[in-house]
Amino acid sequence: KQEVTQIPAALSVPEGENLVLNCSFTDSAIYNLQWFRQDPGKGLTSLLLIQSSQREQTSGRLNASLDKSSGRSTLYIAASQPGDSATYLCAPRGQAGTALIFGKGTTLSVSS
Amino acid sequence: NAGVTQTPKFQVLKTGQSMTLQCAQDMNHEYMSWYRQDPGMGLRLIHYSVGAGITDQGEVPNGYNVSRSTTEDFPLRLLSAAPSQTSVYFCASSYSSGRGNTEAFFGQGTRLTVV
Repeated sequence: KQEVTQIPAALSVPEGENLVLNCSFTDSAIYNLQWFRQDPGKGLTSLLLIQSSQREQTSGRLNASLDKSSGRSTLYIAASQPGDSATYLCAPRGQAGTALIFGKGTTLSVSS
Repeated sequence: NAGVTQTPKFQVLKTGQSMTLQCAQDMNHEYMSWYRQDPGMGLRLIHYSVGAGITDQGEVPNGYNVSRSTTEDFPLRLLSAAPSQTSVYFCASSYSSGRGNTEAFFGQGTRLTVV
């Protein structure tokens, strides 16, 4: 059974810092991995999708990497802003089925 | 393009009542799924469907029923509501793994309280 761990559970940083959110998963046989953002009381917004054959994916100030063999993905946020404050979730998709399995997320707070 | 639409946004039920949470998508996605989100537990898969007429159970299916009569709609039925079903429910859709890009899109959620 796939298990997903996200570290740290919470993170507070001043505006302008570069930061890294970590995601590890126990079953490396994944089809792809998706990073989401969730604002309080809202739904999930897709940030980046990395296919299992890819090593990196970039969108603006966000860069996600994937090391499938070691069961790790990282989300790098450059020059953080208060608007980046949210909970970030990673979710690998397994080979056998098509279900996303979620970690519990990292709650980020960026102060101005 | 509306994406994934969930209704209602909020609902209060009495123990023992039944209701249906609606989910509709307009992206012609084969794969649809329901999750519940509880504090400290993360998102857990309830049921999913890989196409019209095909459904299967996820991690926490007890107390819930689904059907998929069309590609667009995937309703979730609570048969006899219990306080343990108080949660936020999310519906998601994507293309199936055979179609390549399987980016998942989520609805805005239904916040359900069972008293």
